[in-house]
Amino acid sequence: AQKVTQAQTEISVVEKEDVTLDCVYETRDTTYYLFWYKQPPSGELVFLIRRNSFDEQNEISGRYSWNFQKSTSSFNFTITASQVVDSAVYFCALSVGQGNLIFGKGTKLSVKP
Amino acid sequence: KAGVTQTPRYLIKTRGQQVTLSCSPISGHRSVSWYQQTPGQGLQFLFEYFSETQRNKGNFPGRFSGRQFSNSRSEMNVSTLELGDSALYLCASSTDRGRAQTQYFGPGTRLLVL
Repeated sequence: AQKVTQAQTEISVVEKEDVTLDCVYETRDTTYYLFWYKQPPSGELVFLIRRNSFDEQNEISGRYSWNFQKSTSSFNFTITASQVVDSAVYFCALSVGQGNLIFGKGTKLSVKP
Repeated sequence: KAGVTQTPRYLIKTRGQQVTLSCSPISGHRSVSWYQQTPGQGLQFLFEYFSETQRNKGNFPGRFSGRQFSNSRSEMNVSTLELGDSALYLCASSTDRGRAQTQYFGPGTRLLVL
């Protein structure tokens, strides 16, 4: 069975702190894709990144970085120098087979000024 | 390019009624998927449509149905509403089908069943 676990339900940090959101996935497929989405209070899921199972290179985009480790089935997301605008719920998702997304329960990040 | 649009944004219905939600995908996107988001169950996949055919279905009762039109617009219908159907319903579109596709989401329709 496929599953995504985001063990951190809520995280609260002060602006400019670095924060890492954890994501652990389970699948027996050898080809799969991992995603991160951001959901601000407005409700819309905003796509952040897609990574395939054959590419373990870490990715950096501005203040955002992602660490993919197949050995531990993890795809963690780090925000450097967090800002108030980063406050949102962040979802990690797995895509296998026909392509429907399997989401984790999400991590609510609150960044306080 | 305009993003995914969903109408209506908010809806209040009573138990036993039926409801139809609409989704217009990003121009050029042919696959439309629907997801239900509730505080208890989180985000769950409902179904996917591609070329006017349902290609994939999640674990939801037959009261949940959908369709897709030739212009890729999609509608979702829920019949005989139950209190537990109160949720945020999100539509997502992608250029094609399959696990490699990135799905782009609309703002959702918040349904409240009284």
